[in-house]
Amino acid sequence: TQLLEQSPQFLSIQEGENLTVYCNSSSVFSSLQWYRQEPGEGPVLLVTVVTGGEVKKLKRLTFQFGDARKDSSLHITAAQPGDTGLYLCAASGYGGSQGNLIFGKGTKLSVKP
Amino acid sequence: NAGVMQNPRHLVRRRGQEARLRCSPMKGHSHVYWYRQLPEEGLKFMVYLQKENIIDESGMPKERFSAEFPKEGPSILRIQQVVRGDSAAYFCASSPLVNIRQFLYGYTFGSGTRLTVV
Repeated sequence: TQLLEQSPQFLSIQEGENLTVYCNSSSVFSSLQWYRQEPGEGPVLLVTVVTGGEVKKLKRLTFQFGDARKDSSLHITAAQPGDTGLYLCAASGYGGSQGNLIFGKGTKLSVKP
Repeated sequence: NAGVMQNPRHLVRRRGQEARLRCSPMKGHSHVYWYRQLPEEGLKFMVYLQKENIIDESGMPKERFSAEFPKEGPSILRIQQVVRGDSAAYFCASSPLVNIRQFLYGYTFGSGTRLTVV
């Protein structure tokens, strides 16, 4: 059972377009993180959200945590080819140890110039 | 991913051989986590270690896999008698302390070791 469902799985857009990717679960998270992973590299943390309804902005990226802390979204404005990568959400609070993060399968984003 | 050093970057083993994957955490970090990423799958937690202690090994396969983080030196993930299904990217992450404040800053991942079993 996949505890974190990410959608869409794949997304291919033109430079300058906006996009939103989603991370959903039937469970409540104590906190959630978004990572970006490039081919051949490890994930790099983008943001951590902990409060229901929280919105965080990182330049052209906007992260939202659902009011019930069961879902999250990542919105990218005016996407650029440098945004290409695998976007992963990860959560803790499923009863495992603090180091036991649950990852979604990710959204593979391709931004064409 | 500067700071968490994993080696080798690529490792090829024949079925039945042993694989040893090494991870040196960021300076000052005493907590290490190992994750496995299979093709088309998400990252799966394997084990969480502190110096000389295994804290959580709930994600480790019951056989052939072991991990250690000695007082001196890197953390080692050891896979004995490898099989083709062990082919994957293995990532190590580290953090200084494990409490809510540290978690807010996330974990630092290494670049991974890509294991291929032929």
